Amino acid sequence: GDSVTQMEGPVTLSEEAFLTINCTYTATGYPSLFWYVQYPGEGLQLLLKATKADDKGSNKGFEATYRKETTSFHLEKGSVQVSDSAVYFCALSVSQGAQKLVFGQGTRLTINP
Amino acid sequence: EAGVVQSPRYKIIEKKQPVAFWCNPISGHNTLYWYRQNLGQGPELLIRYENEEAVDDSQLPKDRFSAERLKGVDSTLKIQPAELGDSAVYLCASSLGVLGGSTDTQYFGPGTRLTVL
Repeated sequence: GDSVTQMEGPVTLSEEAFLTINCTYTATGYPSLFWYVQYPGEGLQLLLKATKADDKGSNKGFEATYRKETTSFHLEKGSVQVSDSAVYFCALSVSQGAQKLVFGQGTRLTINP
Repeated sequence: EAGVVQSPRYKIIEKKQPVAFWCNPISGHNTLYWYRQNLGQGPELLIRYENEEAVDDSQLPKDRFSAERLKGVDSTLKIQPAELGDSAVYLCASSLGVLGGSTDTQYFGPGTRLTVL
């Protein structure tokens, strides 16, 4: 079945460090790929998405490129801030749009000042 | 614009007791989702509604879980009786669904944290 595997956490970095959170997927069709973020005490928020191979999603300094050849969608940010501390979820959807999301297990990120 | 509203935010009950969660989706969103998120895991879909019709309930444990979405707006998820393993965060989300096409996005509420003692 369709699945998403994320980098094991927790991840702890210093402010202004470079961030990579790995995400790979298995899907029977051609999925859309998403990164969601969950700040403490809040609901999941869509961070970015890509709907086809080689698309790059970006938002708030975060980027991820849809790599069909490696079935990956790694999340990157060049210089993290304390306010980026949260849990990050990679997800896929094989339906048109986002009706059937399959999530990874999440990666907790802590940024120290 | 108001987001997805859920209540209560926290609930503590003893096993074998019933519990209910309520969700009010974003206005105009036809599709509503209930997820369960176990500690340290990603959300898993329990049920999806298109308007008032449950179109995907394959992961809903129907022996103890039930859900309804009267009039295609608010929704209630019920567990009766609750078991220790039901302790989790229950998330509600909404989206435009098929009307949103390829740009459809799910918007999540803050969740209800259930603890079963």
